[in-house]
Amino acid sequence: AQSVAQPEDQVNVAEGNPLTVKCTYSVSGNPYLFWYVQYPNRGLQFLLKYITGDNLVKGSYGFEAEFNKSQTSFHLKKPSALVSDSALYFCAVITYNQGGKLIFGQGTELSVKP
Amino acid sequence: SAVISQKPSRDICQRGTSLTIQCQVDSQVTMMFWYRQQPGQSLTLIATANQGSEATYESGFVIDKFPISRPNLTFSTLTVSNMSPEDSSIYLCSASGLAGVGSYEQYFGPGTRLTVT
Repeated sequence: AQSVAQPEDQVNVAEGNPLTVKCTYSVSGNPYLFWYVQYPNRGLQFLLKYITGDNLVKGSYGFEAEFNKSQTSFHLKKPSALVSDSALYFCAVITYNQGGKLIFGQGTELSVKP
Repeated sequence: SAVISQKPSRDICQRGTSLTIQCQVDSQVTMMFWYRQQPGQSLTLIATANQGSEATYESGFVIDKFPISRPNLTFSTLTVSNMSPEDSSIYLCSASGLAGVGSYEQYFGPGTRLTVT
């Protein structure tokens, strides 16, 4: 069965420090991987995606993620966190034969303190 | 990217009644989906809204409880029927397959917060 795991319910970071939000996946076939962010009382906003090509992908708001096939991971990173980055982050995966359906991780609450 | 709007943004309903949620996309899309989300938790896919045919429901969701329409490539509705307090949740629609954008990139509406009393 396809699945996505975000092992940390919450990540706490001081402003200006680097941040990492972890994601691992289990799929059959080539994964298409995504990160979304959800601010309070808002819908999900697309951050970035990996489909093919360069393992390091850059996205919105200075975020980037690295696809690691051997470790089946797609961790989200940012070199310098902002207080405004505080939100709920979701990793998601699609496989080509799943009709475009997204499988979401359980979400990680990122808290950036001044 | 696509701009997706949902109406209503929130509602408080009595048990036993039904609510229809509308989802409008500002461009034609191939796929539309409906999700349910408890506050602070992950998303659960209810169904894929198919244009011109019956929706495809995920395990645990049935057409009688969540009828879905998709009359064209930019619009869909989800009805939550015979509501109970357990249906209190946030309902989100999403769309993918925009012209000129990768087929698998999904965009989400702002959600409809439903409370059933």
